[in-house]
Amino acid sequence: QQQVKQSPQSLIVQKGGIPIINCAYENTAFDYFPWYQQFPGKGPALLIAIRPDVSEKKEGRFTISFNKSAKQFSLHIMDSQPGDSATYFCAAEGNFNKFYFGSGTKLNVKP
Amino acid sequence: DGGITQSPKYLFRKEGQNVTLSCEQNLNHDAMYWYRQDPGQGLRLIYYSQIVNDFQKGDIAEGYSVSREKKESFPLTVTSAQKNPTAFYLCASSIDAMRRETQYFGPGTRLLVL
Repeated sequence: QQQVKQSPQSLIVQKGGIPIINCAYENTAFDYFPWYQQFPGKGPALLIAIRPDVSEKKEGRFTISFNKSAKQFSLHIMDSQPGDSATYFCAAEGNFNKFYFGSGTKLNVKP
Repeated sequence: DGGITQSPKYLFRKEGQNVTLSCEQNLNHDAMYWYRQDPGQGLRLIYYSQIVNDFQKGDIAEGYSVSREKKESFPLTVTSAQKNPTAFYLCASSIDAMRRETQYFGPGTRLLVL
């Protein structure tokens, strides 16, 4: 049973567009929600993270929106650039710092 | 320069062979993790360790073994019992498994079967 469901599987936007990636979870015990960015052949790198006591967090061009009642959270990338083309993973943290990852979204930003 | 190193970058396994993937961190983190990544799938947890000389099975531990004799090292052995070992293996660490903290990842090892 997948603990975190991520959509879409892939996404293509034009440069300057705002791609949105969505994640949903069931376990209300989760209380830390990071997003990771991964380039081909590399390990994932932390992009931005949120805790459920806030509804939105911004860091540069990246924004997380969090809806605790709906058990959903999403990543928005403002003014997307070709260099943002990568695979993005959401995750949720359970007990003992165990992370449950979404299946990933492959983003392609066209010049 | 602090971080997580994994070696080798590529590893080839013959049928019936055990192979060991190295993971070292100099971040002074207590907790370490091993994940497997397959194409089109998210990361799946193989084993994790909260402290030296202690480790726990993750969701897909069958065919794998680990040890944690030193704080900075958490090697993963892929045994011959793992029938489908071809994947990208990622090691991660975090400050403390009891806290809600970020996991930091190494660059990965790609394992291929000959």
